[in-house]
Parts: sequence; C-alpha cells; structure tokens
Amino acid sequence: DQQVKQNSPSLSVQEGRISILNCDYTNSMFDYFLWYKKYPAEGPTFLISISSIKDKNEDGRFTVFLNKSAKHLSLHIVPSQPGDSAVYFCAASAKGNTPLVFGKGTRLSVIA
Amino acid sequence: DAGITQSPRHKVTETGTPVTLRCHQTENHRYMYWYRQDPGHGLRLIHYSYGVKDTDKGEVSDGYSVSRSKTEDFLLTLESATSSQTSVYFCAISEREDTQYFGPGTRLTVL
Repeated sequence: DQQVKQNSPSLSVQEGRISILNCDYTNSMFDYFLWYKKYPAEGPTFLISISSIKDKNEDGRFTVFLNKSAKHLSLHIVPSQPGDSAVYFCAASAKGNTPLVFGKGTRLSVIA
Repeated sequence: DAGITQSPRHKVTETGTPVTLRCHQTENHRYMYWYRQDPGHGLRLIHYSYGVKDTDKGEVSDGYSVSRSKTEDFLLTLESATSSQTSVYFCAISEREDTQYFGPGTRLTVL
C-alpha cells in the first residue's frame, strides 16, 4: 500500500506562471516531508522540506504547504522557469531519522 | 553539493554473477541508504545503515546484502544478479531528519 502518493504523473505549465505539485500521504506518524527535483542521469537534488509543526515553508521561488488534517502537501514554484522542467519527488519520514518513503514522482514541463 | 560518490557509474553484467556497488562519502554523516529507481515505482529503499556495522532492510531487500565497515563507505552486493535487478541505484546520506543527500547514481544492466 502506497504511503506517499503523487497522483499526477505529469504537469505542463507556461513559463512565468505558477506550478503546483501535489502529494498525499496516509501514515499519520510522518513528521518530515521533503521535495526533491531530478534531472535525467543525475541523482535527486534536495529542494525544500517542512516539519509537521509548520504549515508553510518558503525558500526563494519554492514554497511548500502542509495540511495535516487532509494529509496533503503541495509544492508551489513561482515563477516557473524552463530550467524547472524535471521530475519532482515527494518524500516523508517519521521521527528518529527513519528512512524516507517516496512518491512515484511528477514530471513537470515548463514551456517557454 | 554533498560529497558523495558512487562507483562504478555504469555496469553491464550477466545473470548469475556477483556485483558490488560502492558508495563513498566525505561528509561524516551517520546514516547511509541504498535505493533503486525504476519506471513507475519512484525510489524504493533497499537497505540502510545507521552506523558502522549497523544495517537494516528496506522495502525491496531480497537478493541484496550490504556492509559498512567504515563511516565513509557503504557497499551494496548482489550475490547473484538477475535481470529484475537491472535498475538505477542511488546512495544517499543524512545526519538530520529533514534532509537527505543523494549520489549521482549507478546504472546497472543485467543481461
């Protein structure tokens, strides 16, 4: 049973607009949520994280929102740039440095 | 960028042969992980280590073993490679719960 779900396999957005990537989880023990970006033939790159005591974390163009009651988080990228085109993975872990559980990823295409 | 290297970066081998992948870090992080990435599956945990000689199984550990005799090295061994183990393998390290850094990956093909 998938504990972390990214229900949209792909997303296309125009350059300059907002990209919103969504992630749902089922395990209420998850305490940390992370987003990664992955280009082909490279390792995943850490983007931003949020702990369960917060509902928002912002870093430059990237903002992550957490809705614990809905077990839902989203990554907003504003403004989107062509270099943001990549696969984005959502991941979660429980307290105690337990291993991350990953979603299957969403492929973002930013069109110029 | 976190100091993580993986070797080899590419390998082609035959069914039934043993294969060892190496992950080396220069960050002195306590935790190390091995994942595989396959189309339609995202990243799945194979094994992880929470200290020298301390390891545990992940979601897809069958057919794999690991060893960690030094903080900086984490080895993944396929005792007898099968075609279902054709994949891209990623090593990751962490010291904190809210970050984990990945290596560049090893593409393994088992013929």
